[in-house]
Amino acid sequence: GAGVSQSPSNKVTEKGKDVELRCDPISGHTALYWYRQSLGQGLEFLIYFQGNSAPDKSGLPSDRFSAERTGGSVSTLTIQRTQQEDSAVYLCASSLTLADNGELFFGEGSRLTVL
Amino acid sequence: AQSVTQLGSHVSVSEGALVLLRCNYSSSVPPYLFWYVQYPNQGLQLLLKYTSAATLVKGINGFEAEFKKSETSFHLTKPSAHMSDAAEYFCAVSGNTNAGKSTFGDGTTLTVKP
Repeated sequence: GAGVSQSPSNKVTEKGKDVELRCDPISGHTALYWYRQSLGQGLEFLIYFQGNSAPDKSGLPSDRFSAERTGGSVSTLTIQRTQQEDSAVYLCASSLTLADNGELFFGEGSRLTVL
Repeated sequence: AQSVTQLGSHVSVSEGALVLLRCNYSSSVPPYLFWYVQYPNQGLQLLLKYTSAATLVKGINGFEAEFKKSETSFHLTKPSAHMSDAAEYFCAVSGNTNAGKSTFGDGTTLTVKP
């Protein structure tokens, strides 16, 4: 696609429910990243993928968070048993390769509200 | 290890005035440095980047930043602010030993007064 696409753009859920957030990167971009942006704060790195593998999962806040990427394209971030502190904007970004380290193309984010 | 500090969470300038957004970094390896801009309800957009070439980097929308190794700084400037510059600005650092794991500052919200 022309840009990074994320869905849903907004999600309101009840505490304890599971949510899935989807990211469709720019076509041909091999690297994909997930960040979390809490109100009034900077971006918190969660995980990145090179192809379908995730070499670094150290940023995931807890074992309730998981992510996968299939076919070297679409990625899904899953949050199980959501808590109120999970409320944030979840941003996905992609880059052509890891050699383009840091030059990220961002989606518009998925705003998650946990009641 | 790497980190970014943006001095001033909010900066307000008058239209036509100089914009200066401050960023200091620390990195154990030669850094790549970036400024991103985020308009309301949008994703982040790259303004400019430093990757060890020229220390004065020019970006989009008239912004530029200067890499000063001795000061570990990468401040963002624009000579004359425009109303459309009102947004949140993020400084980020990345290094070749932790590819894909850029560290972002907390952001600076720029307000432009008429």
